[in-house]
Amino acid sequence: GESVGLHLPTLSVQEGDNSIINCAYSNSASDYFIWYKQESGKGPQFIIDIRSNMDKRQGQRVTVLLNKTVKHLSLQIAATQPGDSAVYFCAENSGGNEKLTFGTGTRLTIIP
Amino acid sequence: NAGVMQNPRHLVRRRGQEARLRCSPMKGHSHVYWYRQLPEEGLKFMVYLQKENIIDESGMPKERFSAEFPKEGPSILRIQQVVRGDSAAYFCASSPDGGGQPQHFGDGTRLSIL
Repeated sequence: GESVGLHLPTLSVQEGDNSIINCAYSNSASDYFIWYKQESGKGPQFIIDIRSNMDKRQGQRVTVLLNKTVKHLSLQIAATQPGDSAVYFCAENSGGNEKLTFGTGTRLTIIP
Repeated sequence: NAGVMQNPRHLVRRRGQEARLRCSPMKGHSHVYWYRQLPEEGLKFMVYLQKENIIDESGMPKERFSAEFPKEGPSILRIQQVVRGDSAAYFCASSPDGGGQPQHFGDGTRLSIL
């Protein structure tokens, strides 16, 4: 069945360094991908999305890379700050299917 | 410019009681989604609704769970005869339309079953 998985459950990064969070997906039909940030006690917060006709998209301090050949997605956060500490989820859906399939998440901890 | 509003934020029920969770989508959004999250896990899709219609309920348990999104008022997720295993965080999301648009989430209802 469909699954979205993450390579690392936890990641600790020094403040000011760049963070890279990875995600693998298995559904070849996936054509839309989203990264969410979830802080304790809150709902997932939209960070950035990318469609399958693109391989890179940039936002403010964040970049998402999509490699459809190996079904891999990554989120790069530049110059990480204490406020970036959270659990990060990738999610995907496939054309005509509105439900999002989430990965299990990566907990990012910023070391001061 | 309110986001997705869910209430209550916390709900405690005893086994066998009913739980009603409410969700008001963002203004202008007509698509509502419900997800369930267990601790240290990702969100699991339950149901997708548009006004007065259930579009996809493939993630809903067949018994005790129901959802609606009436023409007026919030979307409701209803759990009858709750059991301990229903304890979880339930999140609602909305989008202006389907077709690969980002879903925006509320802060969830944390349901605890005694």
